[in-house]
Amino acid sequence: DAMVIQNPRYQVTQFGKPVTLSCSQTLNHNVMYWYQQKSSQAPKLLFHYYDKDFNNEADTPDNFQSRRPNTSFCFLDIRSPGLGDAAMYLCATTKGTSGSAHEQYFGPGTRLTVT
Amino acid sequence: AQSVAQPEDQVNVAEGNPLTVKCTYSVSGNPYLFWYVQYPNRGLQFLLKYITGDNLVKGSYGFEAEFNKSQTSFHLKKPSALVSDSALYFCAVRPPYGGATNKLIFGTGTLLAVQP
Repeated sequence: DAMVIQNPRYQVTQFGKPVTLSCSQTLNHNVMYWYQQKSSQAPKLLFHYYDKDFNNEADTPDNFQSRRPNTSFCFLDIRSPGLGDAAMYLCATTKGTSGSAHEQYFGPGTRLTVT
Repeated sequence: AQSVAQPEDQVNVAEGNPLTVKCTYSVSGNPYLFWYVQYPNRGLQFLLKYITGDNLVKGSYGFEAEFNKSQTSFHLKKPSALVSDSALYFCAVRPPYGGATNKLIFGTGTLLAVQP
């Protein structure tokens, strides 16, 4: 089945130690998103890619970076995790076409713990 | 400013009773509206969307939603609730001029608790 996969599902890192979360998709969607979600709050968009074009949200801290080496994969890098970065990180994809409104497909998420 | 409101943090309903989860929006023009469900420690799952046409939209797991332009609402409904419907529900809107990236504005979420 076509899907969005996130690895690992649970990640523990130390304060200040760089960590990378990964997302892959078999849907061949051209748009990929990274969201941060804390304690049953609404997901907060960090950034997204439209094809290879990177789009950062204005309030996303510089500590968060992303890479998309090809259509299928997208990575979230947290350069120096703080305790406040502990959250669920969700990857999502969609078919981005002008004038349409396709739904987003979400992965299961990676729960990040910072010790 | 464009926004989505879910006025209830939690909705409690008995199994077998009808349920409604409320959503109102504030968007210029004709919006695209979505409902997602999130089970514990999972990602969001798409339930249904309104783009245009019939105001009553049917979606997954027996859910439906009614678009009401005059009241700027898009309430989620189900005729008979199941215990397994207990989850966190998010309403979201894609502004009509949002480009091709389908960026969404999410509501704050409503926790649905269905008692046996």
